[in-house]
Amino acid sequence: ETGVTQSPTHLIKTRGQQVTLRCSSQSGHNTVSWYQQALGQGPQFIFQYYREEENGRGNFPPRFSGLQFPNYSSELNVNALELDDSALYLCASSLETSGYNEQFFGPGTRLTVL
Amino acid sequence: AQSVTQLGSHVSVSEGALVLLRCNYSSSVPPYLFWYVQYPNQGLQLLLKYTTGATLVKGINGFEAEFKKSETSFHLTKPSAHMSDAAEYFCAVSGHPGGSYIPTFGRGTSLIVHP
Repeated sequence: ETGVTQSPTHLIKTRGQQVTLRCSSQSGHNTVSWYQQALGQGPQFIFQYYREEENGRGNFPPRFSGLQFPNYSSELNVNALELDDSALYLCASSLETSGYNEQFFGPGTRLTVL
Repeated sequence: AQSVTQLGSHVSVSEGALVLLRCNYSSSVPPYLFWYVQYPNQGLQLLLKYTTGATLVKGINGFEAEFKKSETSFHLTKPSAHMSDAAEYFCAVSGHPGGSYIPTFGRGTSLIVHP
């Protein structure tokens, strides 16, 4: 069974640029959630995708957008990057959307915005 | 609305000593509660979770936690710390149907284990 994978591992961008982060969910999982983890903080929920539809969104501006593909892999896109977007971005997959389901996290993408 | 408070950003123990990491939650519906561990440069891994039923939950690596509704707490314990337990620990809460299924994480507690 393949776990959750994310690419790239690290990324450096400059302010105003756009970035796309990718996530492959664990086999059999149809739900993907994205989190932003700033240094020294807990993960903050960005949004969740269930069967290719957005299924909930946290308190993040519209320049954070996403996609889920038929194979349940997912992308996180961030436009007009700001310095505060520097963080570890975590993807997590789960079976269905229920709150009691365990989320399986990938290792994350470390984004640095200069 | 739901929230999590983890008391103490850092907890330091000696190898072999009791580990106690504190978590208090706030939820308008019966909660689902989780503890995750994060090792350096890695994602989060589930240690244990409480959904319904027995309030004392046993997890991996010898950890356990007790759900106390009257105290709105879900503290994580381990009888004897090992050097390999040094990591960041996160408590999270999500809700039953009708409440928020989106998990809310605490700010984390860094566990330091001294030889």
